[in-house]
Amino acid sequence: DAGVIQSPRHEVTEMGQEVTLRCKPISGHDYLFWYRQTMMRGLELLIYFNNNVPIDDSGMPEDRFSAKMPNASFSTLKIQPSEPRDSAVYFCASTSPPRPQHFGDGTRLSIL
Amino acid sequence: KQEVTQIPAALSVPEGENLVLNCSFTDSAIYNLQWFRQDPGKGLTSLLLIQSSQREQTSGRLNASLDKSSGRSTLYIAASQPGDSATYLCAPRMDDYKLSFGAGTTVTVRA
Repeated sequence: DAGVIQSPRHEVTEMGQEVTLRCKPISGHDYLFWYRQTMMRGLELLIYFNNNVPIDDSGMPEDRFSAKMPNASFSTLKIQPSEPRDSAVYFCASTSPPRPQHFGDGTRLSIL
Repeated sequence: KQEVTQIPAALSVPEGENLVLNCSFTDSAIYNLQWFRQDPGKGLTSLLLIQSSQREQTSGRLNASLDKSSGRSTLYIAASQPGDSATYLCAPRMDDYKLSFGAGTTVTVRA
C-alpha cells in the first residue's frame, strides 16, 4: 500500500509569497493531521480533520495559515503571506483509529 | 496540556549493546502511546503502538512497556545495530486523537 504522500518535498520561496503544501493520505484513513517540526519547538500539531471536516485548528499559529480537505484523498495547507519564521518541516499524517498514525516524508519549507 | 520528556537526549553505544529509552508524560489519562523513529531528513516511522490497557508490546528486537498510572513508557532495543541509529520519539495520545511529542532521544550505534 502507498503511504502518505506529500508534495513538494522541498520549497524555497521569498517572504510574502503564498505557499501551498499538499498531502494525499492513506486510502481508507478517515483522520488527517498536519504537523510542523522545528529545532526550537519540536513537533507541533497544527490542525486535524475527520471525514474531511476540520475538528481542531487550535494549533494553527496565525490567520496566515489555512488548511482544507476537499475530499478524502487530498488536503492542502496554505500560508499567505509567508514569513521567514514559517521555515520548518511540515508533515502530514493519517490514521483510522485505533490504528497508528502514519506520516509522510514531509515538506522542507524555507522562506527567504 | 500534555508534557512529554525523553531521557536521555542522546545516547552512543557500541554495536550489540541493548538500548533503553525512557519517556515520561504528565497527564496519565492517555488512550494509547506510539513510539516512532525518525531518520535525518525523513518522516516518522511508526515502531510500536501500545494501548492504555496494555503493559507491553513487542515487535522483533523492540519492546515497549507502559506504566500509565506513573506516566512512563520505556522502549527497549535488543542487540543494537548501526542501522538502529536514528532519533526515537515517544507520543502519547489523548482521547481527542492528538499526539503530543517529546524532543526525542538521538541514538548512535557504533560499529
